[in-house]
Amino acid sequence: GNSVTQMEGPVTLSEEAFLTINCTYTATGYPSLFWYVQYPGEGLQLLLKATKADDKGSNKGFEATYRKETTSFHLEKGSVQVSDSAVYFCALSDQTAGNKLTFGGGTRVLVKP
Amino acid sequence: ETGVTQSPTHLIKTRGQQVTLRCSSQSGHNTVSWYQQALGQGPQFIFQYYREEENGRGNFPPRFSGLQFPNYSSELNVNALELDDSALYLCASSKGYTNTGELFFGEGSRLTVL
Repeated sequence: GNSVTQMEGPVTLSEEAFLTINCTYTATGYPSLFWYVQYPGEGLQLLLKATKADDKGSNKGFEATYRKETTSFHLEKGSVQVSDSAVYFCALSDQTAGNKLTFGGGTRVLVKP
Repeated sequence: ETGVTQSPTHLIKTRGQQVTLRCSSQSGHNTVSWYQQALGQGPQFIFQYYREEENGRGNFPPRFSGLQFPNYSSELNVNALELDDSALYLCASSKGYTNTGELFFGEGSRLTVL
């Protein structure tokens, strides 16, 4: 079955530091890949997505590239802000499963001023 | 544009009881999915409803059931509650059920089973 593994947190950074959150996946076929973010007191929201190999998703300064050869979709941001403090979830959906998402366990990121 | 709203936000039940959680989908969305998020874990897919019919189900027992209404709102019912059912239950809506992965989530209903 499908599965997503992401690095455990918490990840604590200073403002303007570089952020990387590793995500690897196991799936049949050609899944679409996503990063969702959960800010404190808010619902999950889509941060970025990539639907095929070598696609790069980007939003709000975050980027992730769909690497089929390494089955990875690592999230990066060059200079984090305090407002980026949140829980980040890597997820996938496969073509046979409609909108069913398989999520990783989440990585809590805390950015200190 | 009204977002996804869920009720109640918090509730406490005892083992063996039944619970109903409610969800209003975002305006213009006709598909609703439900997820269970245990503390410190990622959400797990329970099931999805499209045009008032169940359209995909995760690895959850039959005591987890749902409904979707003509206005696309939805209910999640859990019978014979167990301690392990304690979790945050998330509702998500989307336009259609195809593989876009772009779901709009509510803030969830936190269920505690004692």
